[in-house]
Amino acid sequence: ELKVEQNPLFLSMQEGKNYTIYCNYSTTSDRLYWYRQDPGKSLESLFVLLSNGAVKQEGRLMASLDTKARLSTLHITAAVHDLSATYFCAVDGPGGGADGLTFGKGTHLIIQP
Amino acid sequence: GAVVSQHPSRVICKSGTSVKIECRSLDFQATTMFWYRQFPKKSLMLMATSNEGSKATYEQGVEKDKFLINHASLTLSTLTVTSAHPEDSSFYICSASPSGRRNEQFFGPGTRLTVL
Repeated sequence: ELKVEQNPLFLSMQEGKNYTIYCNYSTTSDRLYWYRQDPGKSLESLFVLLSNGAVKQEGRLMASLDTKARLSTLHITAAVHDLSATYFCAVDGPGGGADGLTFGKGTHLIIQP
Repeated sequence: GAVVSQHPSRVICKSGTSVKIECRSLDFQATTMFWYRQFPKKSLMLMATSNEGSKATYEQGVEKDKFLINHASLTLSTLTVTSAHPEDSSFYICSASPSGRRNEQFFGPGTRLTVL
C-alpha cells in the first residue's frame, strides 16, 4: 500500500522566517505533486516534480525531489502572511497517472505578523 | 485552458435522498476523471476512478452501490450519492486528466454536501 507522510502537520511561524515541509512516500512513484488549499476551496497546483534531483521555484516557494530517498521538500523563504494555507503533497498510484493520487495528510501553515 | 467545473458548489439535502454532482472538463476531453472526498480538516481520499464508456473503479472501502459514477461522455462525469446520510456530509472534489496526458490532473472547485 502506498503511503505518503508529511511533517509537520501543523506549523505556526513568523513572517520573514524560513521553513521546510517534508514529504516521504513509501514506494516508487513517477511524479510528486505539491498543492495549496485555502479554507473552503479546492486545490491549487504548485509544483509537479518529474525526476530525481528536480528543483522548482515559484516566488518564495521551492520544491525538490529525491527519488532515491523517496523524499520531497517544500521550502518557504522569508514567509509572508499570504502563504498561510494547507499544503499537500501527493504521488501517483501504482498505475502511474491512471490510478489517481495518494495524498499526504497536509501541513496546516499559519504565518503570523 | 484546462478548466474543470463542478455543479452544484453546495448542496444541502435531507437524509435518505439522493444527490447528483456533476464534473465537467470545459476545454479538454478527459478519458479519465477521479472523485475524491475530503472530510473537515482532513486530507483528500480517492474514492473512484471514472473511465469514459466503462465502469468506474472503486477504492477499497467505497460502496459502489452508494456512490454511483457515470462517465457517459469525454467531458462529463457524475457522482450520485444515493440514500444520503449525515456521515456522507463531506467536500467532494473531482479531477480530470486530458486524454493522452495521464500525468496531469486538473481539479474542480469542489462540492460541499451537507446531509441533515
